[in-house]
Amino acid sequence: DIQMTQSPSTLSASVGDRVTITCRASQSISSWLAWYQQKPGKAPNLLIYKASSLESGVPSRFSGSGSGTEFTLTISSLQPDDFATYYCQQYRSFTWTFGQGTKVEIK
Amino acid sequence: EVQLLESGGGLVQPGGSLRLSCAASGFTFSSFAMSWVRQAPGKGLEWVSGIRGNDGSTYYADSVKGRFTISRSNSMNTLYLQMNSLRAEDTAVYYCAKDRVSSTSWIGYFDYWGQGTQVTVSS
Repeated sequence: DIQMTQSPSTLSASVGDRVTITCRASQSISSWLAWYQQKPGKAPNLLIYKASSLESGVPSRFSGSGSGTEFTLTISSLQPDDFATYYCQQYRSFTWTFGQGTKVEIK
Repeated sequence: EVQLLESGGGLVQPGGSLRLSCAASGFTFSSFAMSWVRQAPGKGLEWVSGIRGNDGSTYYADSVKGRFTISRSNSMNTLYLQMNSLRAEDTAVYYCAKDRVSSTSWIGYFDYWGQGTQVTVSS
């Protein structure tokens, strides 16, 4: 299985900050990577697919980049609604796998 | 509007069985692969199983292979997960999730998720 490792596990930030989350794959996954946002007690919400394609309806302050084994999710200006946990997921090959998550907390 | 509604969760003893259902609406169910993804208490997301829309091909995570069976009824727009030989480590919220793109193959990322159903395995 392809292992996905996110860093940091927790991130403390303020409204308006630029935030970057990193996701590393144990082997190349080309651009077959998605990012999700999850709030407590809720299902995940798709933000980004194919590493850098913004899902319809997702604010443009979210962006994704990378290919191969290293990827980033950037929030250009953190908003109150963005405090949540973020997961990367590879869909290059079975078993599809998620990162362990990055919790974005209020500083 | 796409809706996915899971049911069938509950409390079961180790070694027991449960059958989860996911009723789908608002899209052409047979055209999309579907998956089950679970989340243990306080933990991250784990893909459990998937099934293609057209031919019913299935795939499983190693952690559930041989114990869980995914199936679907395209006539009833419903996804199922039969869970046998349940273990304490199967305790989680189970989500059904829809592939983002209509395809005869796998896509592997998900644009709609249900609200989840809680499965607790405990004596």
